[in-house]
Amino acid sequence: AQKITQTQPGMFVQEKEAVTLDCTYDTSDPSYGLFWYKQPSSGEMIFLIYQGSYDQQNATEGRYSLNFQKARKSANLVISASQLGDSAMYFCAMRDSSSGGYQKVTFGTGTKLQVIP
Amino acid sequence: DGGITQSPKYLFRKEGQNVTLSCEQNLNHDAMYWYRQDPGQGLRLIYYSQIVNDFQKGDIAEGYSVSREKKESFPLTVTSAQKNPTAFYLCASIGQGWAGELFFGEGSRLTVL
Repeated sequence: AQKITQTQPGMFVQEKEAVTLDCTYDTSDPSYGLFWYKQPSSGEMIFLIYQGSYDQQNATEGRYSLNFQKARKSANLVISASQLGDSAMYFCAMRDSSSGGYQKVTFGTGTKLQVIP
Repeated sequence: DGGITQSPKYLFRKEGQNVTLSCEQNLNHDAMYWYRQDPGQGLRLIYYSQIVNDFQKGDIAEGYSVSREKKESFPLTVTSAQKNPTAFYLCASIGQGWAGELFFGEGSRLTVL
C-alpha cells in the first residue's frame, strides 16, 4: 500500500536561513509522482514543486528544491533564504497507481513551519 | 481563467441532514479528488474518479457518496451516516498524464450544529 510520512510536526527557522522539510514514501508502483504544497492559514493549497519518479534531476522552482533520493524513498523539500511569508503548513503528497491501476494521490500529515525574524 | 470552483464556501447544517458540496472544473481534467481536512491535520482522501461514471473509494469513504455524470463535475454528498462531518473539504483535479500540478479549489467549510 502507498504511504507518505512526514515526521516533523513543527519546525522553526531563522529568516534568511535554509530549511529542509522531510518526506519519505513507499509504493510498489515504479511510475509515481511526488508533490509539495504550502497551505497558509487562509486554507488555500499552493503548489510548490513536482518530481516524477523517472526524472533524472532534482526539481527546482525558485527558492524551492526537491532533494529526491529514490533508493532511500525520500523527497525532502529545501527552502532557501527563508522569508516571513514562508510560515505555513507544508504537505508532501504522492501520486501512484498501486491501488488497482487508479491514480491515487495521498498526502502526508504536514509540517508546520514558522520563520523567526 | 481555468480552475476549480467549489461551493458553497461555508455551510451550516443540522445533525442528521444530508448535504451536497459542489465541485466544478473547466480544466478538461479527467481525474478528480475529494479530500477532508480536520484542524491542524493533513488531507485525507474520500473519493476519487478518473473517468465519467466511474469512481473509487479513498481512505475514509464511509458516510460519503459521490457521482461523476459529467467530466466537469464531481459533487460530494455528506450523508447522515457520517459521524463527525464538521471539517474543511477540498476538491482537486489533475491533467492527463498525471504529471505536474494537482489543482485545488478554495474549499468548503462544513459545520454541523
